[in-house]
Amino acid sequence: DGGITQSPKYLFRKEGQNVTLSCEQNLNHDAMYWYRQDPGQGLRLIYYSQIVNDFQKGDIAEGYSVSREKKESFPLTVTSAQKNPTAFYLCASSSHYGASGELFFGEGSRLTVL
Amino acid sequence: KQEVTQIPAALSVPEGENLVLNCSFTDSAIYNLQWFRQDPGKGLTSLLLIQSSQREQTSGRLNASLDKSSGRSTLYIAASQPGDSATYLCAVRGRDDKIIFGKGTRLHILP
Repeated sequence: DGGITQSPKYLFRKEGQNVTLSCEQNLNHDAMYWYRQDPGQGLRLIYYSQIVNDFQKGDIAEGYSVSREKKESFPLTVTSAQKNPTAFYLCASSSHYGASGELFFGEGSRLTVL
Repeated sequence: KQEVTQIPAALSVPEGENLVLNCSFTDSAIYNLQWFRQDPGKGLTSLLLIQSSQREQTSGRLNASLDKSSGRSTLYIAASQPGDSATYLCAVRGRDDKIIFGKGTRLHILP
């Protein structure tokens, strides 16, 4: 089935450690997005990529890094520089950067820093 | 910078009532606006997508309208049911492909 797969679903990390969240899509979508959601809040944009080998900062990029080496993959690394990393992370994708494609989401990854 | 606001933040209505959720945005230069539903602890499910050239979209009991010039959208839910209880979020896609979300409206339908 076509869709977006995020892994792991739950992740625990010690302070000072980097962690990488995986996002894979088989929808042949050009654009991919990473969002962060805190309890009772909406989604805040971390990074997005319109095409392979290119990505743009969102509103809260500090302490995060991404890569887009393949069209279907957009991993997010939460670095030790991120001051408050405990959150629910959501990956999304849409067709046709620069046009009006529908956005689809994965099931999310919940990161807890101990 | 695009800002998206959703009013009300929370809403409780008896089953069977019709209701309206509101979404406003500050920059009218958008490609589209999308409404989502989120159940607790889950990802987002797309409900309706309205292109910038459209005025409304309908799916079953849901109808979404878009007034781009005034920076407003509404989501109308007819004959509400307990299964409609969830958080509803709107998102706008700008010309730079940034997709910005509102904080959502938590809807509770009373049986």
